[in-house]
Amino acid sequence: QKEVEQDPGPLSVPEGAIVSLNCTYSNSAFQYFMWYRQYSRKGPELLMYTYSSGNKEDGRFTAQVDKSSKYISLFIRDSQPSDSATYLCAMSAGRGSTLGRLYFGRGTQLTVWP
Amino acid sequence: DAGITQSPRHKVTETGTPVTLRCHQTENHRYMYWYRQDPGHGLRLIHYSYGVKDTDKGEVSDGYSVSRSKTEDFLLTLESATSSQTSVYFCAISPGPDDADTQYFGPGTRLTVL
Repeated sequence: QKEVEQDPGPLSVPEGAIVSLNCTYSNSAFQYFMWYRQYSRKGPELLMYTYSSGNKEDGRFTAQVDKSSKYISLFIRDSQPSDSATYLCAMSAGRGSTLGRLYFGRGTQLTVWP
Repeated sequence: DAGITQSPRHKVTETGTPVTLRCHQTENHRYMYWYRQDPGHGLRLIHYSYGVKDTDKGEVSDGYSVSRSKTEDFLLTLESATSSQTSVYFCAISPGPDDADTQYFGPGTRLTVL
């Protein structure tokens, strides 16, 4: 079993829809949770960063972490065609001696059509 | 792409030849990483560096070596390229111990080994 599981999709939604992207994980030591956005043939771009459980909002994006269920989510409100990309979740057990070792999901491909 | 360049951006080579990929950063970040991205596997860590001349192995390091003689440059060498090393290679950087999991990615190098 991979440490981080993410449904690869593809996910296709109409413009204006609310999008929900999810990852599950097995390592209870993970404390830091990230979402990256990757456009086709580009490098991943850090989108959201959260520590431990709870919600974090940034504009149309909300990241949610439920450590008790080992489940993280990214919600996109009022989705736009420019949100069409692959979304990668990533997580780490901590900093310092672990040197920020990240564990990535496989990514979910999202298409928002006009 | 956070002051990160990768060269070459595309390369086609033959099995058995050595290949060197270069990552150059202008952010003066201490930590640098090499990942490969393959369909079905997501991003996997090859090697990382936590300072000049300080490097260590990631989860898929066999067949790869790295060197870092200057803060700004991190080289990845495929000693004798194989078809299984056909992939997209990403370099990432992070500021240092307290921000090691906040990683910023370069644009990638697409490598094909025939």
